[in-house]
Amino acid sequence: EVQLVESGGGLVQPGGSLRLSCAASGFTLSSYWMSWVRQAPGKGLEWVANIKQDGSEKHFVDSVKGRFTISRDNAKNSLYLQMNSLRAEDTAVYYCVRDQGNPPIPFDHWGQGTLVIVSS
Amino acid sequence: QSVLTQSPSASGTPGQRVTISCSGSNSNIGSNYVYWYQQLPGTAPQLVIYTNNQRPSGVPDRFSGSKSGTSASLAISGLRSEDEADYYCATWDDSLSGWVFGGGTKLTVL
Repeated sequence: EVQLVESGGGLVQPGGSLRLSCAASGFTLSSYWMSWVRQAPGKGLEWVANIKQDGSEKHFVDSVKGRFTISRDNAKNSLYLQMNSLRAEDTAVYYCVRDQGNPPIPFDHWGQGTLVIVSS
Repeated sequence: QSVLTQSPSASGTPGQRVTISCSGSNSNIGSNYVYWYQQLPGTAPQLVIYTNNQRPSGVPDRFSGSKSGTSASLAISGLRSEDEADYYCATWDDSLSGWVFGGGTKLTVL
């Protein structure tokens, strides 16, 4: 059974940093792109970033470019999101999501999410 | 403002057929597959349609998807109370080099 378990969320002040982690199990992480998707309270889904199987290619939504970094450790079955210079508008539930692999079906498995609150 | 446009709400009575639309442009829907996700209250989204019109195993055949040009739609026939949820379309955008979601449609079963 595919499982994605996020951790690292919490309350942080504007301008602060936070590192989210995602523990993957039940599939071969190294065979899949992986993404982070967020959802602000009462709002819709917003894709944040993704990373290729070997970490050689990454993409980010414009609003987080230069502030967020995505990384992975396939040996540890883990995905990470380093968030710096956090703003109030980054407040959201952050989901770890399996992106494309074989077959290339994006976002077929989601974690339960971790809540990040940016507030003073 | 989402790159993909969805109506904020839709409704129907049990047994009816409802359609949810998603409008984009040549750089996203016009060039790539469309995916649909259902989000029940308080839960993570789950995939209901992939590559425009395919259903994952476990998704009832009451759910169907289609795409034409720069628009796509999700149809739910034989509406049931458990279909009440938020529905999101998504696709890759070649110009943005990223995934884009619609703003979501809240489906109410009357």
